[in-house]
Amino acid sequence: NAGVTQTPKFQVLKTGQSMTLQCAQDMNHEYMSWYRQDPGMGLRLIHYSVGAGITDQGEVPNGYNVSRSTTEDFPLRLLSAAPSQTSVYFCASSYGWSSTDTQYFGPGTRLTVL
Amino acid sequence: GIQVEQSPPDLILQEGANSTLRCNFSDSVNNLQWFHQNPWGQLINLFYIPSGTKQNGRLSATTVATERYSLLYISSSQTTDSGVYFCAVDRSGGFKTIFGAGTRLFVKA
Repeated sequence: NAGVTQTPKFQVLKTGQSMTLQCAQDMNHEYMSWYRQDPGMGLRLIHYSVGAGITDQGEVPNGYNVSRSTTEDFPLRLLSAAPSQTSVYFCASSYGWSSTDTQYFGPGTRLTVL
Repeated sequence: GIQVEQSPPDLILQEGANSTLRCNFSDSVNNLQWFHQNPWGQLINLFYIPSGTKQNGRLSATTVATERYSLLYISSSQTTDSGVYFCAVDRSGGFKTIFGAGTRLFVKA
């Protein structure tokens, strides 16, 4: 199993550009989520999904869109990048959405918006 | 919303020393997890511990839910323990998880 994979590892954008961060898992996990991590801070939940076709907002959803057309993939779209979106983005997955299910994290995407 | 505070913010240890990291939370929670983020950024789940005590090798954790705090104990620290330790909670029974700001640990050889 590859676990949770994220692409790209690094990305530089100009203000106003759009892009999609990719996240995939091969563990047949129903639950997937996106977090951002800013310097000196913990992770903040952006969006999450409890299964294909079902998504919901987390703590900081503004400026981001998600969709979940398959169990394996959960892409995060930045509609019009802003410098405030400079951050490290982590994708996570787990088998279910029970509090006992362990979350597995991807390696992260480091995004810089100029 | 719920507040999660971790202390100390930074900790430097000599290899072999023991340490205790603390997580305080402002309201009752359904779930509490401890994570380790290594110096390369990888996040690993250490414990799911909404209450009680668990041990895994040199690491153990205790959560006293009625008093709204959790402790992570690291014994006989090693350089590979360096990184950031995060406490994360949620109240909803799902995964609207709130992370603390973390404790940054550096273990010197």
